[in-house]
Amino acid sequence: QVQLVESGGGVVQPGRSLRLSCAASGFTFRNYGMHWVRQAPGKGLEWVAVIWYDGSKKYYADSVMGRFTISRDNSRNTVSLQMDSLRAEDTAVYYCARDPGAQNDYWGQGILVTVSS
Amino acid sequence: EIVLTQSPATLSLSPGERATLSCRASQSVSSYLAWYQQKPGQAPRLLIYDASNRATGIPARFSGSGSGTDFTLTISGLEPEDFAVYYCQQRRDWLCSFGQGTKLEIK
Repeated sequence: QVQLVESGGGVVQPGRSLRLSCAASGFTFRNYGMHWVRQAPGKGLEWVAVIWYDGSKKYYADSVMGRFTISRDNSRNTVSLQMDSLRAEDTAVYYCARDPGAQNDYWGQGILVTVSS
Repeated sequence: EIVLTQSPATLSLSPGERATLSCRASQSVSSYLAWYQQKPGQAPRLLIYDASNRATGIPARFSGSGSGTDFTLTISGLEPEDFAVYYCQQRRDWLCSFGQGTKLEIK
């Protein structure tokens, strides 16, 4: 069955960096674009970034443009989110997702990132 | 960027009643509109995709309609487990976006 498992979350100081990873299994990873979506405590869902199936194109939300970088390794079935210059407002649960909004969407369980001094 | 506006922000109803949730897009998203349900501590659960198609395992009391910029999620005959937060989401292009959510609470 399809599984998406996030890792790499934790507590980090403002201005520092953190790298999230998402391990995918149960489907042909290289055929799908992958997304990151986040949710601040008590707030709504916010789309963060997407990477095409082959890594050739990447798009970001304005709120993270220039600070976050999405990447993927199709040989290891993983998608990553490098988060630099972190701010308090980046505190959220981060989800990786395949095809959000489509018939066969899948989401990970989410991982908490807390930016605090 | 496509902005989705959901209304109302909060909807207070009793079990058995009918719920009508709205989502308006700042520009046409064709039929690339989905609805999600989210309960505390859980990942979002897809209810409706492509505006009107129920996802696998979703009860028939959930229905979606609309196209272009105006969409509706209807829940006919609320069950206790339906009280949650609902989000609309567009995927017209690769830059997805979500509405701010409607909280469906027990009256």
